Amino acid sequence: GAGVSQSPSNKVTEKGKDVELRCDPISGHTALYWYRQSLGQGLEFLIYFQGNSAPDKSGLPSDRFSAERTGGSVSTLTIQRTQQEDSAVYLCASSFGGAADTQYFGPGTRLTVL
Amino acid sequence: GNSVTQMEGPVTLSEEAFLTINCTYTATGYPSLFWYVQYPGEGLQLLLKATKADDKGSNKGFEATYRKETTSFHLEKGSVQVSDSAVYFCALRNNAGNNRKLIWGLGTSLAVNP
Repeated sequence: GAGVSQSPSNKVTEKGKDVELRCDPISGHTALYWYRQSLGQGLEFLIYFQGNSAPDKSGLPSDRFSAERTGGSVSTLTIQRTQQEDSAVYLCASSFGGAADTQYFGPGTRLTVL
Repeated sequence: GNSVTQMEGPVTLSEEAFLTINCTYTATGYPSLFWYVQYPGEGLQLLLKATKADDKGSNKGFEATYRKETTSFHLEKGSVQVSDSAVYFCALRNNAGNNRKLIWGLGTSLAVNP
């Protein structure tokens, strides 16, 4: 079946602009995660959605970052007033949400802020 | 807090050599442990996992044993191939709360030469 898809695959933007990154999880997966992979920083958790529960936003680095998940499926990560330090690969993952589940990752969106 | 420490790379080996990539962790409770792999130009994919102490995860000739006494989850393979060249990430998930987020090591790059 189809895996996790993300769009765009690459995004180049100017400092100060807003960007939206999209994630389409695997059908039937109730849990969705956003991570960020920065050079020298490794992977860091950003936000987690599980079903209809309130999302865990504890990993968002600032209030310029927000995410929503519509209809329990597609998710959009929005970064407002982008900064150069936001440059990274943004990864989305989804899972069935159980205690021992496996997270399946999308190919990522490479964001470059000039 | 929760954290993962894995050996720094890059690791360069000849084909058929023995591979060990060390991973140790700090966690409250009883985490699940994972190895993910990222092949060149591809997304992250689960390599193997273990959900409780003394469990051994295995896949594609790779193995890792969950050692609670040493808080380790070292990745091993008896005979590496050129196709194993990739970046390997150790990760944990703390199962104490509702969030299933993964905590990651910084990754270890492996290059296998013919």
